[in-house]
Amino acid sequence: DAGVTQSPTHLIKTRGQQVTLRCSPKSGHDTVSWYQQALGQGPQFIFQYYEEEERQRGNFPDRFSGHQFPNYSSELNVNALLLGDSALYLCASSLYGAGGNTEAFFGQGTRLTVV
Amino acid sequence: SQQGEEDPQALSIQEGENATMNCSYKTSINNLQWYRQNSGRGLVHLILIRSNEREKHSGRLRVTLDTSKKSSSLLITASRAADTASYFCATDLMNRDDKIIFGKGTRLHILP
Repeated sequence: DAGVTQSPTHLIKTRGQQVTLRCSPKSGHDTVSWYQQALGQGPQFIFQYYEEEERQRGNFPDRFSGHQFPNYSSELNVNALLLGDSALYLCASSLYGAGGNTEAFFGQGTRLTVV
Repeated sequence: SQQGEEDPQALSIQEGENATMNCSYKTSINNLQWYRQNSGRGLVHLILIRSNEREKHSGRLRVTLDTSKKSSSLLITASRAADTASYFCATDLMNRDDKIIFGKGTRLHILP
């Protein structure tokens, strides 16, 4: 049973470019959440997708957008990259509506460096 | 914004000693989870404790939860070099499905 998989592992982009990160949730999970983790900080919630819709959003600008596909996989898109967007981007999968009583499983993350 | 705050920010102990990390949070929760992260990679789930539970064990890990004080502790007994990692507490917000919020973490270093 595959866990949460993210691609790519590492990515270097130039300021102003756009990037797409991908996540496949754990088998049986239907909800994907994305987090940004700056060096030395805890993960910050970006947004959550369920039934192909954005259900919740953290304090991130509209440059951050996402998508969820019918097979529950998800993409995170960031437009007009800034140096400050350099971080580890983590994807977590869970089961929606479990009342917060199930654990979230995380992928290994995508390390994005903006130069 | 962070819901949980871990204390201490960093901790170094000798191998074999016990390590205790604390987490305080601000609002009512459904549950609290502890995660481990090695070298800035993915988060590994350690324990979930529900708001109606006071203590939970998993191997060398013991987690307590005091909802009246809005605090939790993670105890690692008989520490090993492999326990060197960052540890995060994460809380959901009551009545807000599935969104979990992390603290800044405790960086634990086990000395040989």
